[in-house]
Amino acid sequence: NAGVTQTPKFRVLKTGQSMTLLCAQDMNHEYMYWYRQDPGMGLRLIHYSVGEGTTAKGEVPDGYNVSRLKKQNFLLGLESAAPSQTSVYFCASSYPGDSLNTEAFFGQGTRLTVV
Amino acid sequence: AQSVSQHNHHVILSEAASLELGCNYSYGGTVNLFWYVQYPGQHLQLLLKYFSGDPLVKGIKGFEAEFIKSKFSFNLRKPSVQWSDTAEYFCAVNVPGGFKTIFGAGTRLFVKA
Repeated sequence: NAGVTQTPKFRVLKTGQSMTLLCAQDMNHEYMYWYRQDPGMGLRLIHYSVGEGTTAKGEVPDGYNVSRLKKQNFLLGLESAAPSQTSVYFCASSYPGDSLNTEAFFGQGTRLTVV
Repeated sequence: AQSVSQHNHHVILSEAASLELGCNYSYGGTVNLFWYVQYPGQHLQLLLKYFSGDPLVKGIKGFEAEFIKSKFSFNLRKPSVQWSDTAEYFCAVNVPGGFKTIFGAGTRLFVKA
């Protein structure tokens, strides 16, 4: 049981380049999330999905797009990378079937540097 | 809107010292509360969680947290820290059945051997 897997783990982009981060979970979770982590700011929600085919904006969605074509995958895209998007990105998933257990499970993170 | 405040951004302790990290949240209704830990270079892992029942929650590695509803607080404690507790600690809150978890800014703990 791998849990939540993110690829790639590291990436360096030039300003203006595009890339896609992939998140895969094998826990049959309905909800998936993309966060960015910056020093002193905790984790900020970029986009999230409450089910296959649905996505919604979080706190800091500008410059990012997402897709949830399959329940187990949640893709985060940067169409034109900017230095301000240098960050560590975490994917997470959770299962709403039990309304009490809203614990999120996290991937290992992707360290992205935009130069 | 929900928010989470962690009082200390950096804490330095010697081994065997006691630890208390403060966390306050702003939301008037029922909440689920979490503490996550992130060891250097690793992802976030759940330390403990509170959903209902006994407000004193025990987690892994000797950590515990107390939910005080009247103070909107969920402080993390450990009686005696170890060097291996050096990490960043995040308090988080969400609404039962909800999907948006709000995180605090984090507290970096450094334990001197």
